[in-house]
Amino acid sequence: QKEVEQDPGPLSVPEGAIVSLNCTYSNSAFQYFMWYRQYSRKGPELLMYTYSSGNKEDGRFTAQVDKSSKYISLFIRDSQPSDSATYLCAMRGGGSQGNLIFGKGTKLSVKP
Amino acid sequence: DSGVTQTPKHLITATGQRVTLRCSPRSGDLSVYWYQQSLDQGLQFLIHYYNGEERAKGNILERFSAQQFPDLHSELNLSSLELGDSALYFCASSPRPGGTGANVLTFGAGSRLTVL
Repeated sequence: QKEVEQDPGPLSVPEGAIVSLNCTYSNSAFQYFMWYRQYSRKGPELLMYTYSSGNKEDGRFTAQVDKSSKYISLFIRDSQPSDSATYLCAMRGGGSQGNLIFGKGTKLSVKP
Repeated sequence: DSGVTQTPKHLITATGQRVTLRCSPRSGDLSVYWYQQSLDQGLQFLIHYYNGEERAKGNILERFSAQQFPDLHSELNLSSLELGDSALYFCASSPRPGGTGANVLTFGAGSRLTVL
C-alpha cells in the first residue's frame, strides 16, 4: 500500500461546478497537509496548507483533514476554466522540517 | 516567479552520459529539496540539504548525487544515464526551521531531462 493514494482522474466538470478532490494516507504520523496545483509544464505551487485536523477556507477553496479516517479533501466552489490543472496532495510528519510525500495528482479540466 | 531558479530548463542527452542540474533557492531559504517527477511515479523525493549538510535521502539512485554549496545553491548530478531517467527534476526550498512558512516547500519550474 502506498503511503498516499490519490485518484489520478482525469476529472472533467462544467464551469461553475463544485469540485471535490481527495487523498487517503496510511501513516498516522502525518501532521502537515497541503494541496499543490501544477499547471502543465510548470512547477507545483502551494494552494492550501493545514496543520492536523480541521477545515481551512481560502476564497473558493476549502481544505478538510480527517485524521481519524486518514482522509483529506479539497473543495473548489464555482470552478473556473483557469482551475484546470493537476492537483497534488502532500503531507509529512511532525518536526521542524522535512520532505513532503505527494500523491500522484488528479488532473482536473473545467469546461466553459 | 517562485523565487527558486533551476537551470537548465531542458536537457537532451544520450544514455551513459552525465549531467548536472542546478538550483538556486529563494533568498533566505536554507533548505533545498530535490524531487523527480515521472508520469507513472508522480513526485518522488530524492534528497534534502540544509545549510550545506545532507538531512535526508529518499529514493535516490547510487548513480545520482547532490550537494549544497556555501552560497546555498545546490547541484544534482546524474551519471550513467538510462532511458528511464527521463523525467522532470524539481528543486524546492524552504526557510529555516521555525521561520515563517518553514513547513512549506516552494518549487522551481523544473528541469526536463530527456535521455535518448
